[in-house]
Amino acid sequence: GENVEQHPSTLSVQEGDSAVIKCTYSDSASNYFPWYKQELGKGPQLIIDIRSNVGEKKDQRIAVTLNKTAKHFSLHITETQPEDSAVYFCAASMNNNDMRFGAGTRLTVKP
Amino acid sequence: DAGVIQSPRHEVTEMGQEVTLRCKPISGHNSLFWYRQTMMRGLELLIYFNNNVPIDDSGMPEDRFSAKMPNASFSTLKIQPSEPRDSAVYFCASSLLGSTEAFFGQGTRLTVV
Repeated sequence: GENVEQHPSTLSVQEGDSAVIKCTYSDSASNYFPWYKQELGKGPQLIIDIRSNVGEKKDQRIAVTLNKTAKHFSLHITETQPEDSAVYFCAASMNNNDMRFGAGTRLTVKP
Repeated sequence: DAGVIQSPRHEVTEMGQEVTLRCKPISGHNSLFWYRQTMMRGLELLIYFNNNVPIDDSGMPEDRFSAKMPNASFSTLKIQPSEPRDSAVYFCASSLLGSTEAFFGQGTRLTVV
């Protein structure tokens, strides 16, 4: 089955700096890669996703890149703000049927 | 829509007792997922249903765990008997089959003492 690894487990940045979180996956059949943000006491919420036919996708301050050959994808957050502080999860699946999540990255943005 | 609704939000029970967690997916969604979240293991997929039919339950840890989806608007996850190591936050999520975004509920925090 799919195995997703995520790094780093914790990340602390200064407000305004960029944050990068990286994930690798094992199943070459996976074709859908979402990123979820989880705030304290809440369920994960989708923030951006990418399909395997696209190498990069951007939405305002967040972007995701995908390297299918190397089987890794990354989340980039620019101009970080304190409200970006949360736990971020990457995931991989084939057609969203059985998403497998990474272990999560706790991002702290210091004012 | 109110989103995915899980109940209870918190459950504290004694070891050996039966625990039932409940989920109401978003109306019209036909895929439902149960996840367990712990510090050690992160978010683990336990089981998922398509059109009320269990598709993959390979993530269910033991025979003590069972899940049902009697209709499109309700699912349960049962643990019998419960053990302290079952303590975790259990999430239910739903989506449209073939769609991309899965919507998560607020979770049920289970503590088994």
